[in-house]
Amino acid sequence: DTAVSQTPKYLVTQMGNDKSIKCEQNLGHDTMYWYKQDSKKFLKIMFSYNNKELIINETVPNRFSPKSPDKAHLNLHINSLELGDSAVYFCASSSRTISDTQYFGPGTRLTVL
Amino acid sequence: AQTVTQSQPEMSVQEAETVTLSCTYDTSESNYYLFWYKQPPSRQMILVIRQEAYKQQNATENRFSVNFQKAAKSFSLKISDSQLGDTAMYFCAFMSPSGGSEKLVFGKGMKLTVNP
Repeated sequence: DTAVSQTPKYLVTQMGNDKSIKCEQNLGHDTMYWYKQDSKKFLKIMFSYNNKELIINETVPNRFSPKSPDKAHLNLHINSLELGDSAVYFCASSSRTISDTQYFGPGTRLTVL
Repeated sequence: AQTVTQSQPEMSVQEAETVTLSCTYDTSESNYYLFWYKQPPSRQMILVIRQEAYKQQNATENRFSVNFQKAAKSFSLKISDSQLGDTAMYFCAFMSPSGGSEKLVFGKGMKLTVNP
């Protein structure tokens, strides 16, 4: 009965590769988010989708592209990975009509070598 | 732009004691929400407590309560009867639903250690 799930939980890859992180929520929420937590534990919003429509796109490099095939899924694709992309990436979801509280997935630790 | 400040990077407390984590924020919005999230070593982000700005009554959840001072833009978290399982990073966060942008703005976090 996982609420917000992410795959994979760990991802180790070489510089220059392309990788994807998947996120799914079974809470019936209409809004999903990607946050990045850096090595100093600081969390910052990257993207937000509402009903498959992009509503927040912070100053994130074009190498990062979110895709929302339906409102229960929000995937993150990263092209040409760089060392500085190493971080923990969290997916979250919320419902505007219920409480706006965001519930987080377990995070994906990405390590770029 | 909204900012959230957690001025104490680290604290420790003895089991069963009470501890207060401080948080201040800056905003010109009138409608907003404040949250405390906990991140134990497992990395999971767990909601601890939530406060709506329009509510004067301070939120409480079992051993966790907040002191919300809207005029002072202060939102502290009190943990009573601390338990070993409370050891974690604690993040204060702000969210304003205005303009359709419901992003959470986080403070830098505070590491709490509960000692036996």
